[in-house]
Amino acid sequence: ETGVTQTPRHLVMGMTNKKSLKCEQHLGHNAMYWYKQSAKKPLELMFVYNFKEQTENNSVPSRFSPECPNSSHLFLHLHTLQPEDSALYLCASSQDGANGELFFGEGSRLTVL
Amino acid sequence: TQLLEQSPQFLSIQEGENLTVYCNSSSVFSSLQWYRQEPGEGPVLLVTVVTGGEVKKLKRLTFQFGDARKDSSLHITAAQPGDTGLYLCAGGDGGATNKLIFGTGTLLAVQP
Repeated sequence: ETGVTQTPRHLVMGMTNKKSLKCEQHLGHNAMYWYKQSAKKPLELMFVYNFKEQTENNSVPSRFSPECPNSSHLFLHLHTLQPEDSALYLCASSQDGANGELFFGEGSRLTVL
Repeated sequence: TQLLEQSPQFLSIQEGENLTVYCNSSSVFSSLQWYRQEPGEGPVLLVTVVTGGEVKKLKRLTFQFGDARKDSSLHITAAQPGDTGLYLCAGGDGGATNKLIFGTGTLLAVQP
């Protein structure tokens, strides 16, 4: 298994659907992250978990709900999304704190109709 | 709000040419990282610089961190088609978890 695995790679959902994105890291890292990558905008940090505890919520709307059951798994639960939420959602993990390298997954491409 | 502006936004060059990408901010960062992202992939770390004025070389890539730790540059010598991708700078706050602020990105295309 490669370092950080995200599923599904592509997701199309209606505004009333409920779906989840999954991320799994096989690197033994302590911290996991969700980032949003939209066209013409910088990568936006959404959530940070360190040792399963949420340490950062970057003013993300409540229609995005993260879950971190253990240090290896991270979910992003999606409900009643808007078309402007269509983006590439990237999961990452890191071992060290300050100045540590982020290891990214390949991303989940989300389209909200 | 901390912002990292990259320039240029887009760059299309011929194989063998040299180029420089800039990453500028009004904020001070404890570290500066550069990532490259290829289509359909997540970003991959190229380098981390932590000391003002630091210069690091990675084969044909030269990275510099500004003296005041507010800006950085990436210079590529004799670009190759394999250098094609989205280059992202990212500033670190030095906190317990690595909360990075990413730059606006530079999309590089190297034509053979």
